[in-house]
Amino acid sequence: DTGVSQDPRHKITKRGQNVTFRCDPISEHNRLYWYRQTLGQGPEFLTYFQNEAQLEKSRLLSDRFSAERPKGSFSTLEIQRTEQGDSAMYLCASSLAVIGQGRKDTQYFGPGTRLTVL
Amino acid sequence: RKEVEQDPGPFNVPEGATVAFNCTYSNSASQSFFWYRQDCRKEPKLLMSVYSSGNEDGRFTAQLNRASQYISLLIRDSKLSDSATYLCVVNLLSGGSYIPTFGRGTSLIVHP
Repeated sequence: DTGVSQDPRHKITKRGQNVTFRCDPISEHNRLYWYRQTLGQGPEFLTYFQNEAQLEKSRLLSDRFSAERPKGSFSTLEIQRTEQGDSAMYLCASSLAVIGQGRKDTQYFGPGTRLTVL
Repeated sequence: RKEVEQDPGPFNVPEGATVAFNCTYSNSASQSFFWYRQDCRKEPKLLMSVYSSGNEDGRFTAQLNRASQYISLLIRDSKLSDSATYLCVVNLLSGGSYIPTFGRGTSLIVHP
């Protein structure tokens, strides 16, 4: 399978614990995005990387959220001190961005990690 | 006011019907518009990009109206398999960056 993969697919944790999710993008893609989606809503942008550089992180929901993409390939999203309100689907997407071709910067999504905080 | 707005529906239509969805966006300095389809408990999948001149892909037609700041999706000859949530995405200029911003989605139910 050469699509975007995410691990784990499901995570149940207790309030106050830290969790980390992994995303492996399509191999030739240079951009990687993280989103959160709750029931009845569209995906909510959190952050994105171009190669290893995190270009936008102001939309991360709080300082408990952080993301890394150390070698420009896979990425991790960490949530520290989880709260019940963090329960949601966390989606990762990747794209191949070419300067001047914004309309072709189409994102391909992974299956998501469903987080439940008890 | 939300940055990208969609009527959540549901739109309940018979097979063979034509149905249209609109999506409005708040920032005129926007680029790159897309429609995605999302099935229940699945990830969003790209349906089509939206070009300034409008574009068609089989039964699906997308339009962009920059003056009125909306995009539209027209589905002709609806099939049962078209039942899904349709998400619009607009790259909105915010704080110097273009942020992919999704609407909440429009639910379509096609019945026999």
